[in-house]
Amino acid sequence: GENVEQHPSTLSVQEGDSAVIKCTYSDSASNYFPWYKQELGKGPQLIIDIRSNVGEKKDQRIAVTLNKTAKHFSLHITETQPEDSAVYFCAASDRAGGFKTIFGAGTRLFVKA
Amino acid sequence: GAVVSQHPSRVICKSGTSVKIECRSLDFQATTMFWYRQFPKQSLMLMATSNEGSKATYEQGVEKDKFLINHASLTLSTLTVTSAHPEDSSFYICSVPLMDIWTDTQYFGPGTRLTVL
Repeated sequence: GENVEQHPSTLSVQEGDSAVIKCTYSDSASNYFPWYKQELGKGPQLIIDIRSNVGEKKDQRIAVTLNKTAKHFSLHITETQPEDSAVYFCAASDRAGGFKTIFGAGTRLFVKA
Repeated sequence: GAVVSQHPSRVICKSGTSVKIECRSLDFQATTMFWYRQFPKQSLMLMATSNEGSKATYEQGVEKDKFLINHASLTLSTLTVTSAHPEDSSFYICSVPLMDIWTDTQYFGPGTRLTVL
């Protein structure tokens, strides 16, 4: 079945450094790739997304890249801050397939002050 | 983005009792809502798709008689965990998809922490 692999599972960086989280998806029909940030005890919040007709998207300190051929997409956070510490989930979905979203296993990001 | 609420945020119940969790879409109508379960330090697992005015669609391995879903209106879906057992203790999260010609994004509720004693 469809699968989304996410790496690393844990990432620790110093404040101000960059953080990169990578995901790979298996379903070639996937055409929408959101990233969610989940803080402890809360629901996931969408932070950025990218569609299959775009290779890169940036929003302030956050950027996402997509390589459709390799079925890879990545989240880049620059100038990390302690408040960026959270669990980040990548996901892939196929809108034509009933909007079913497959989530990665999550990356726990620690930003040390 | 869309605003989604859940109630209650936390619930503790005895084994064998039933618990109802509400998911509300506060600022737009939703014919579809999703229910997820998340165990500690794990990812979100889709349990079922709630469809307004019709039966919910359950994922493989999810017992429809145990997790009753009712989507009675365009802004409210409820998940009832019947005869709850300790292994049902988890974080339950609903989401509402917002789909139009520009976007097809899911917005999540804040989650409900269920603890079954």
